[in-house]
Amino acid sequence: EVQLLESGGGLVQPGGSLRLSCAASGFMFSNYAVSWVRQAPGKGLEWVSAVSSGGGGTYYADSVKGRFTISRDNSKNTLYLQMNALRAEDTAVYYCAKRDGGFNIWGQGTMVTVSS
Amino acid sequence: DIVMTQSPDSLAVSLGERATINCKSSQSVLYSSNNKNSLAWYQQKPGQPPKLLIHWASTRESGVPDRFSGSGSGTDFTLTISSLQAEDVAVYYCQQYYSTPFTFGPGTKVDIK
Repeated sequence: EVQLLESGGGLVQPGGSLRLSCAASGFMFSNYAVSWVRQAPGKGLEWVSAVSSGGGGTYYADSVKGRFTISRDNSKNTLYLQMNALRAEDTAVYYCAKRDGGFNIWGQGTMVTVSS
Repeated sequence: DIVMTQSPDSLAVSLGERATINCKSSQSVLYSSNNKNSLAWYQQKPGQPPKLLIHWASTRESGVPDRFSGSGSGTDFTLTISSLQAEDVAVYYCQQYYSTPFTFGPGTKVDIK
């Protein structure tokens, strides 16, 4: 079964850090670009970051540039999002998504709450 | 950045009737290398991740019922649900993947009248 499974979310204080992981299975992970997309409570979808299939190209939304770092380990079929200097407005469910044209496979999401 | 807008914000349609959602991009998303529009439609139900319905503006994803169809080109796109079913109650988003940031529209909530 083609699947993405996020982990690493939780409660963190403003200014703190978290590292999200997304484990892929059921497909050739190294062949596809993948992204992180987030959704604040009761709000719409916001694309956060993407990485190319080989990991050499990384892209970020302006709202997270300089604070978040996307990476991947194709030997482990895993995508990461290192989040530093977290703010209250980063509170959201974070999804990883596989791109094949559109984003055709999504994980179930992991909740990140930034609060003191 | 490409700005995506959707209309209406919400709509209520009787069971079996047609629902139409419009999406507009601030610039063309026509990808010259394959002459396809880099535009996707997603359905999201409460507590679930989004589900891809349509990509390349009009290509239905495998397993998606044929009552869902996408059309349009350049900057103007439409998602049509030809005969609304109860299970279609959801929020629908368009997204451009022509260039980063891969922006989403604000969403359209579809309900039963």
